[in-house]
Formats: sequence, structure tokens, C-alpha cells
Amino acid sequence: QVQLVQSGAGVKKAGASVKVSCKASGYTFTGYYIHWVRQAPGQGLEWMGWINPNSGVTHYAQKFQGWVTLTRDTSISTAYMELNRLRSDDTAMYYCARTSYGPVLVVDYWGQGTLITVSS
Amino acid sequence: QSALTQPPSASGSPGQSVTISCTGTSSDIGTYNYVSWYQQHPGKAPKLMIYEVTKRPSGVSDRFSGSKSGNTASLTVSGLQAEDEADYYCSSYAASNTLFGTGTKVTVL
Repeated sequence: QVQLVQSGAGVKKAGASVKVSCKASGYTFTGYYIHWVRQAPGQGLEWMGWINPNSGVTHYAQKFQGWVTLTRDTSISTAYMELNRLRSDDTAMYYCARTSYGPVLVVDYWGQGTLITVSS
Repeated sequence: QSALTQPPSASGSPGQSVTISCTGTSSDIGTYNYVSWYQQHPGKAPKLMIYEVTKRPSGVSDRFSGSKSGNTASLTVSGLQAEDEADYYCSSYAASNTLFGTGTKVTVL
């Protein structure tokens, strides 16, 4: 069965970086785009960007350009989201999401989410 | 890239219908038929309810339906049930980007 398993929750200091992993199983990793979405506590969903695991091509929401880096390692079917220069308002649940629609976000499977808490 | 606009809340009694609007612009909803709706219960990941404006994924109740007119999309939940109480988010494709709606909390009275 399809699964996206994300790395565990963490607490980071303001100004630090965090790298969240998303390990895929149960399907051909390179066949589906991975998008990243975050949700601050009590707030709405915010789209961050996508990566094509086959080519490594990425696209970021304007807000996150130069600040977020999406990568993948096809040998271990894992996608990564690295967020730099963390601020307190980056405290959020971060989700990876699979879509069969390429750059169009139509999510059939979500990761379980990774809670990142940024402390000052 | 502004968020799509949804009403903060909507409510209805069991068995009634509720409709949630999602307003965008001619650059997103008005141009693309890639509007999706997600349901999110507290502490859970979102669940896809509608995609491509009107399509339902396998397993989603036919009580959920979607539509679009101009720059506004809508989700209708018919025959409200207690388990429909949740947050609902619309999303739209917009030239390699995705915009989410501000979210609507649906309460079953």
C-alpha cells in the first residue's frame, strides 16, 4: 500500500535550518510529484512548492523562493524539504503530499505530518 | 499570490445542505478547471473531497458536489451528517502554483 512516512517532530532555534524527510513506499517514487504544504497551529493550509522526483525539477511558491529547498534521493525513494533562517512563525505542521497530476495539487496520499516548533 | 477567499464559517442542521464559496481571480479559478476541495478534521491530514471542480474521488460520498462559475467555485454538502463537521479548504492551480482558500469551518447544529 502507498505510504508517505515523514521524519519526526523537532524543536529548532530561530535562525537555524530544518530538513524534513518524506519516505515513499508502495509505488514508483519517480512517477508522482511531491508537494509540500504547511499549517501553522490553528491556521489554514499554505502551499510551499513541488518537486518532480523523476527529473529533480522544482517550483516554489513566491513567498518561499530562496528560503526553501526541495530535493530528493531516488535511491531511497525519499523527498526532502529544507527551510532556512527559521523564525517563530515557521512553527507549523509540515506535510508532504503525492499527486498524480504533476504540478497540479490533487492529493491522493498525505504524509502524517511533521511538527516543527521554532523557539526564540 | 493571495489566498482564495472563503467564508470563515457555515452551518446547518442534520439533513440540510450547506454551500461554501471560494472566490479567486481570473488568473486562477477563472482560468483553470483545477479546483479541489479538502476536508480536514482536527489533528488529521486533509482529505480530498472534490477535484477538477466537480469530480469525486472513489470512496467520497455523493453528498459532496462541486461547481464553478466565473472566478468562484462552490462546494455543496447535502444531507448534512455529524461527521461532516470539519474545516474545508478549496485550492486552485495557478500557472505552476497552488493557492489555498482561507478555510471554512462547517458546524452541524
